[in-house]
Amino acid sequence: QVLLVQSGAEVKKPGASVKVSCQTSGYTFNDYYVHWVRQAPGQGLEWMGWINPYNGGTNYAQKFHGRVTMTTDTSISTVYMELNSLRSDDTAIFYCARMRIVAASYSFDIWGQGTVVTVSS
Amino acid sequence: DIQMTQSPSSLSASVGDRVTITCQASHDIKDYLNWYQQTPGQAPKLLIFDASNLETGVPSRFSGGASGTDFTFTITGLQPEDFATYFCQQYYDLPYTFGQGTKLDIK
Repeated sequence: QVLLVQSGAEVKKPGASVKVSCQTSGYTFNDYYVHWVRQAPGQGLEWMGWINPYNGGTNYAQKFHGRVTMTTDTSISTVYMELNSLRSDDTAIFYCARMRIVAASYSFDIWGQGTVVTVSS
Repeated sequence: DIQMTQSPSSLSASVGDRVTITCQASHDIKDYLNWYQQTPGQAPKLLIFDASNLETGVPSRFSGGASGTDFTFTITGLQPEDFATYFCQQYYDLPYTFGQGTKLDIK
């Protein structure tokens, strides 16, 4: 069974950093890009970027450039997303999602359960 | 960035009804569009990929279509478990972008 299991909820102060983990299982870790998507309270979904576990390559949304870092630990099949300089409007649920690529078809076929990050003074 | 305009933002319907949600892309995205369902407190779930292909295990009452930059998502014969929020998402170009969502609730 393919699973993405994320770390627990976090409460941070403005200006701090948060690092969310996404532990994968049930498939070959290097074979699928992992993306991060966030959802502010009562809002829609916002794509943040991806990491290629095979070589550590990344691509971040322009909005998060300079504030987000995605990394992997291949020994434990885990992906991390760190967001710096947190602001109150970063309060959101952060999801990791596996991207399935078949020919020219790309879709988020498996999602983590989400990690709530609250930024408050 | 490619904008995805999804409508309506909310919709009330009854069990057994047929409902349709639309997404319009700001640019040609071919058929590079997916649909997801999200129930409260849960992560999104993939239902339709490449505009009209049903994900494995998803009931056939769900369907998708495309015409140019306009995309439709239809549920034929609503079931109680279908009351949720639905999102479209384009993957034609980065950044990937989502529609704002359609909340479907019981009339």
